[in-house]
Amino acid sequence: DTGVSQDPRHKITKRGQNVTFRCDPISEHNRLYWYRQTLGQGPEFLTYFQNEAQLEKSRLLSDRFSAERPKGSFSTLEIQRTEQGDSAMYLCASSLFLPDTQYFGPGTRLTVL
Amino acid sequence: AQSVTQPDIHITVSEGASLELRCNYSYGATPYLFWYVQSPGQGLQLLLKYFSGDTLVQGIKGFEAEFKRSQSSFNLRKPSVHWSDAAEYFCAVAPGGGSQGNLIFGKGTKLSVKP
Repeated sequence: DTGVSQDPRHKITKRGQNVTFRCDPISEHNRLYWYRQTLGQGPEFLTYFQNEAQLEKSRLLSDRFSAERPKGSFSTLEIQRTEQGDSAMYLCASSLFLPDTQYFGPGTRLTVL
Repeated sequence: AQSVTQPDIHITVSEGASLELRCNYSYGATPYLFWYVQSPGQGLQLLLKYFSGDTLVQGIKGFEAEFKRSQSSFNLRKPSVHWSDAAEYFCAVAPGGGSQGNLIFGKGTKLSVKP
């Protein structure tokens, strides 16, 4: 069990650029979650997958945000045309069952200049 | 709507003193409840969880929490705080009995420890 990993750990981009983050869940976990955390706040749920199916995406913040998990293993979160308000920590988590403990990765910190 | 309230934004305690962090939730049915800890710039680590059964739950690092249905609370306690406990603590609830997939988090309580 190597834990949830996320790449990159930090990303600095200019407003209007597209960014993509990757999350690798714990290997046997079939559920994967994305959250956003802004300064002084708790994590805010964005979307989640069971295997390759995206079961909840209504919480994605705008149509600039999209997520995929094409083979039911790793996942990517893409933000198109980034805005300064997108600056935040993006956290990924995975779990085996539902309900079950969600194990979090270290996060990707996005800074939009 | 379901929500989680952590009334204390920042708490400072002396090393060796006892600690209690408050958490209140708003949810109709029996909730699934969690406490996570986050060190600066890091992800979240699970301290403990309550799904059912004994309302006093033991976790890692000497933490415990008590579920009180009548008060809609799930307060986190530690009898003797260590300097390494300085971090931010988040209470979370899994709505829909966990069937909805997401966790709802409180805004967190930052713990500082005085030597």
